[in-house]
Amino acid sequence: AQSVTQLGSHVSVSEGALVLLRCNYSSSVPPYLFWYVQYPNQGLQLLLKYTTGATLVKGINGFEAEFKKSETSFHLTKPSAHMSDAAEYFCAVTRTGGSQGNLIFGKGTKLSVKP
Amino acid sequence: DAGVIQSPRHEVTEMGQEVTLRCKPISGHNSLFWYRQTMMRGLELLIYFNNNVPIDDSGMPEDRFSAKMPNASFSTLKIQPSEPRDSAVYFCASSHYQGVATGELFFGEGSRLTVL
Repeated sequence: AQSVTQLGSHVSVSEGALVLLRCNYSSSVPPYLFWYVQYPNQGLQLLLKYTTGATLVKGINGFEAEFKKSETSFHLTKPSAHMSDAAEYFCAVTRTGGSQGNLIFGKGTKLSVKP
Repeated sequence: DAGVIQSPRHEVTEMGQEVTLRCKPISGHNSLFWYRQTMMRGLELLIYFNNNVPIDDSGMPEDRFSAKMPNASFSTLKIQPSEPRDSAVYFCASSHYQGVATGELFFGEGSRLTVL
């Protein structure tokens, strides 16, 4: 069965520090991978996605993620955290064998940014 | 452009009452999804529709839950009777299916349900 594991339900960094949010997945076929961000009291919005091609994907707000097939990972990074990055981040993978757009989400990682 | 619109944003009700959550997807989108979010279980897909037809409702918890999509611009999720364990944030999301599983879902702001 497919699954998405996000290591660390809560990550805290200082403003200006590197952000690293970890995501590992299991899938029997090459997956499509996504990161979504959820600000307080809002819905999720797409941060970036990997479908095919270049394994380093750039998203909005300076975030990027690298698909590493050998490690079944899709970690999210940002070189320098900003206070406005405080939110919850969800990694997701397309459910195989099903119809499009059906995603399996990780349990989320809440990012706190200290001044 | 208007995003996915959900109503109500907040609902507090008593156990046993009927609850109806509403969703208006983004115009032109032909896929619609209902998710439930709780601290314990995270985000769970309840049901999704393609072109107004339910495709997968395996995530619907039990017969107390039902969802309809009478037309391309409106969907409802109904819980009858409601129970305290149904308390959660319910999200509606829509996407434009172009024959490729891009997975780009557009989410509404959610309906926070509290069942006392």
